[in-house]
Amino acid sequence: EDKVVQSPLSLVVHEGDTVTLNCSYEVTNFRSLLWYKQEKKAPTFLFMLTSSGIEKKSGRLSSILDKKELFSILNITATQTGDSAVYLCAAWNAGNMLTFGGGTRLMVKP
Amino acid sequence: DTEVTQTPKHLVMGMTNKKSLKCEQHMGHRAMYWYKQKAKKPPELMFVYSYEKLSINESVPSRFSPECPNSSLLNLHLHALQPEDSALYLCASSLRDNYNEQFFGPGTRLTVL
Repeated sequence: EDKVVQSPLSLVVHEGDTVTLNCSYEVTNFRSLLWYKQEKKAPTFLFMLTSSGIEKKSGRLSSILDKKELFSILNITATQTGDSAVYLCAAWNAGNMLTFGGGTRLMVKP
Repeated sequence: DTEVTQTPKHLVMGMTNKKSLKCEQHMGHRAMYWYKQKAKKPPELMFVYSYEKLSINESVPSRFSPECPNSSLLNLHLHALQPEDSALYLCASSLRDNYNEQFFGPGTRLTVL
């Protein structure tokens, strides 16, 4: 059974801090990994990663995938209170299944 | 149009009611999905439609019945639900049936009394 595990479960930081969120996966015939940010409602797409070692960047957020060690990280620099959310990672397998991790709940305090 | 829309936003129903959730996208995506999300849990996949055909049904009880009338629309028909079915129901779509970014709708918050 495919498995995606995120750590830490929750994190409290202060504005301006840098955070690293972790996602490890065990997925049959892995294809790609997705990161989402979920506030009160639907998950918002952040990144899709398919190749190892290539960093994707969007503003203060960046992410990288290591297909050898089967993990991905999401970095957020200079955190702001608006970054407070649950961050979800999910992995596609070749059978058209997207498996979500349990999420990391990030709280950024002023 | 780069969004997935869902109606209604909120739904309260009794266990004997029949209701439907609707999802629509006009991004030309050919794969559409229903997820169920309980509080503080990740989304759980229920159904996948690929090119208007049901391709995955994740052992969902028959009281949930999906329908894909065309490539832009996805319905979830509800009948004889149980209180434990109360959850946020999310619709998503992606360009094709796998390996692509999935875009989520805002969800329908369902309460079964």
